[in-house]
Amino acid sequence: EDQVTQSPEALRLQEGESSSLNCSYTVSGLRGLFWYRQDPGKGPEFLFTLYSAGEEKEKERLKATLTKKESFLHITAPKPEDSATYLCAVRETGGSNYKLTFGKGTLLTVNP
Amino acid sequence: EAGVTQFPSHSVIEKGQTVTLRCDPISGHDNLYWYRRVMGKEIKFLLHFVKESKQDESGMPNNRFLAERTGGTYSTLKVQPAELEDSGVYFCASSPAGTGLAFFGQGTRLTVV
Repeated sequence: EDQVTQSPEALRLQEGESSSLNCSYTVSGLRGLFWYRQDPGKGPEFLFTLYSAGEEKEKERLKATLTKKESFLHITAPKPEDSATYLCAVRETGGSNYKLTFGKGTLLTVNP
Repeated sequence: EAGVTQFPSHSVIEKGQTVTLRCDPISGHDNLYWYRRVMGKEIKFLLHFVKESKQDESGMPNNRFLAERTGGTYSTLKVQPAELEDSGVYFCASSPAGTGLAFFGQGTRLTVV
């Protein structure tokens, strides 16, 4: 069965203190790895999709990278508004559906 | 452009009652999904519609859950009768045809007491 593990479960940073979140996965074949951001009381908001090892994508202070077994979400000089839960999800090859398997998420708090 | 919309945002019902959740996907999106997050656990897949047809319902917990998608537009998820373990946040998502890039609604928080 697919497994997606995110670490750490929670991370507290000072404004401007860069760090990385990890998402490790075990799937028979990866069709895509997705990063979402979720604010309290809201649904997941799409950030990035990565498809192959070595791929990188950036958006403002966020950069996502992918290897064959894990993905990192790097946060450079974070601001308080970056505080949220960051979710990683994978889509497996095979079949015709678009089912996503999620990790439990990393709760990021950025203090001013 | 309107996003995925879910109704209600919150629902509190007693064990044994029936509840119906509604999802309006982004206009033109053929794919519609239901997911659920119970307390302390990860978001889990329930089922996937392509237009009005069920493509994958492997995540549906049991036969107390019934999902429909009338005319390939909005979808409903009915829980009958509700049990305590059905409490959680139910998310709906949609994606355009041919892609799995899912956009999520804000969720319906269901509490069964």
